Amino acid sequence: DAGVTQSPTHLIKTRGQHVTLRCSPISGHKSVSWYQQVLGQGPQFIFQYYEKEERGRGNFPDRFSARQFPNYSSELNVNALLLGDSALYLCASSSGTGHEQYFGPGTRLTVT
Amino acid sequence: AQSVTQPDIHITVSEGASLELRCNYSYGATPYLFWYVQSPGQGLQLLLKYFSGDTLVQGIKGFEAEFKRSQSSFNLRKPSVHWSDAAEYFCAVGAQAGTALIFGKGTTLSVSS
Repeated sequence: DAGVTQSPTHLIKTRGQHVTLRCSPISGHKSVSWYQQVLGQGPQFIFQYYEKEERGRGNFPDRFSARQFPNYSSELNVNALLLGDSALYLCASSSGTGHEQYFGPGTRLTVT
Repeated sequence: AQSVTQPDIHITVSEGASLELRCNYSYGATPYLFWYVQSPGQGLQLLLKYFSGDTLVQGIKGFEAEFKRSQSSFNLRKPSVHWSDAAEYFCAVGAQAGTALIFGKGTTLSVSS
């Protein structure tokens, strides 16, 4: 079975631009979570969606938004990019509460 | 506030030697605990998890971890390290499995020959 997939793999953007990152969960998983991992740090929780509903939001500004589609794939959007948004963005899927999360390979975002 | 502390930033172990990576957590209720491993430029791979029951849990790649409630610890162990174990290791805690995880800052493991 395919694992969690994310696209694109790498992305370079300029300050002030907007970016959309995509995630497809493991088949059968209905929950998707997004994490930001800055170099040298552990991942930080951004959002969680289950059955298209937002179930949790981390301490990130409103420039960050996300949504989940009927096929359970998800998008993370970041507006007005700042240099500090440069990070590895990880998507994780699970079959729901009570089950562990499985991570994708991440999207490396560089903001110049 | 919930938090995870991994006291060791970097550890070097000789190949074949035993390994213990420390993890301490701060959490008000019974935590769900996880260890993940990350190779350079890669995502996170789940090594093992603790939800309830037996406090010694077995994971993949020969790793095990022991939950000690009295010490708020969930240390990762391996009896004999292989060169391929060199990676970044993260401990994480959650209110429930499948909900938002709080990660430690990670421990980098180097393996010397």
